[in-house]
Amino acid sequence: GESVGLHLPTLSVQEGDNSIINCAYSNSASDYFIWYKQESGKGPQFIIDIRSNMDKRQGQRVTVLLNKTVKHLSLQIAATQPGDSAVYFCAENGSARQLTFGSGTQLTVLP
Amino acid sequence: DTEVTQTPKHLVMGMTNKKSLKCEQHMGHRAMYWYKQKAKKPPELMFVYSYEKLSINESVPSRFSPECPNSSLLNLHLHALQPEDSALYLCASSQEESVNTEAFFGQGTRLTVV
Repeated sequence: GESVGLHLPTLSVQEGDNSIINCAYSNSASDYFIWYKQESGKGPQFIIDIRSNMDKRQGQRVTVLLNKTVKHLSLQIAATQPGDSAVYFCAENGSARQLTFGSGTQLTVLP
Repeated sequence: DTEVTQTPKHLVMGMTNKKSLKCEQHMGHRAMYWYKQKAKKPPELMFVYSYEKLSINESVPSRFSPECPNSSLLNLHLHALQPEDSALYLCASSQEESVNTEAFFGQGTRLTVV
């Protein structure tokens, strides 16, 4: 079956450093991907998305890279801040074109 | 207004109770969703409504009953739940179903079944 998985369940970074969160997906038919941030006690919050006709997209302090050859997605956060501490989920429009979420990475920003 | 509003924020109910979760959006979105999220797990899709009609039911037990009274509202009626149904229930909306645009999520209802 299809799956969207993350390489690392937890990631700790020093404040000010860059963070890279990785995600592998298995459905080669997926053509739309989203990164969500979920803080404790809150719903997922959209960060950035990318369509399969692109391999890179930049937002404010965030960049998403898509490698369709190896079915890999990454989220880069520049100059990580304490407010970036959260669980990050990648999601793809898998079967039935509904969002399927990966297992999540807990990002902890150290002072 | 880019908000999806869910009420209540917290709910404790007994296994014989009947309760309802409510969700509202005023973004003109025609697709609305219910997700269930257990602790430290990703959200899992339960139901999809498209243009106020049930489009997808991901084999959810009948003790969960969704309802879409109009294009802005989505309810989830709960009856005879089990303790293992305790979870964060998230509502989301998007412009249309199966269109590659983001889904906006509410803050969720934290449900505890005792």
